[in-house]
Amino acid sequence: KQEVTQIPAALSVPEGENLVLNCSFTDSAIYNLQWFRQDPGKGLTSLLLIQSSQREQTSGRLNASLDKSSGRSTLYIAASQPGDSATYLCAISPTGFQKLVFGTGTRLLVSP
Amino acid sequence: NAGVTQTPKFQVLKTGQSMTLQCAQDMNHEYMSWYRQDPGMGLRLIHYSVGAGITDQGEVPNGYNVSRSTTEDFPLRLLSAAPSQTSVYFCASSYGDRDYYGYTFGSGTRLTVV
Repeated sequence: KQEVTQIPAALSVPEGENLVLNCSFTDSAIYNLQWFRQDPGKGLTSLLLIQSSQREQTSGRLNASLDKSSGRSTLYIAASQPGDSATYLCAISPTGFQKLVFGTGTRLLVSP
Repeated sequence: NAGVTQTPKFQVLKTGQSMTLQCAQDMNHEYMSWYRQDPGMGLRLIHYSVGAGITDQGEVPNGYNVSRSTTEDFPLRLLSAAPSQTSVYFCASSYGDRDYYGYTFGSGTRLTVV
């Protein structure tokens, strides 16, 4: 059974810092990996999706990497801002785009 | 606005009652799914559908039923509500191949069973 773990569970940083969120998974046979953002009381917003054949994806200040052989992904956030405060979720798609296996998330607080 | 619409946003049920959580999407996505989110456990898949008339169980299907008679709608039925079903429920629609893909989540239904 695929299990997804995210470390740390919570992170507090001052504005402007670069930071890394970690995601690990137990089964390397994945179809793709996604990073989502969730604001309190809201749904999920997709940030980046990495296909199994890719090593990284970038969008603005966000960069996500994937190492299938070691079962790890990282989300790098450059020059953090208070507006980045949210919970970040990592999710694995085992077989396609039908369903996801989620990690428990990292709650990020960026202070002005 | 295009997207996934969930109703209701909040609901309180008594133990043993039944109800249906509604989910509708207007993006013609082939895949739809239901997740529940509990503190400390992340989102867990309840049921999913790969097209009209086709559904399958996820990780935590017990106590829930689904059907998909149209591409647009994917309701989740609680047969006999239990306090353990107190949770936030999210519906998602998705589509994809290696070049074109997308996930859209609804804003959630917060359910309390007393």
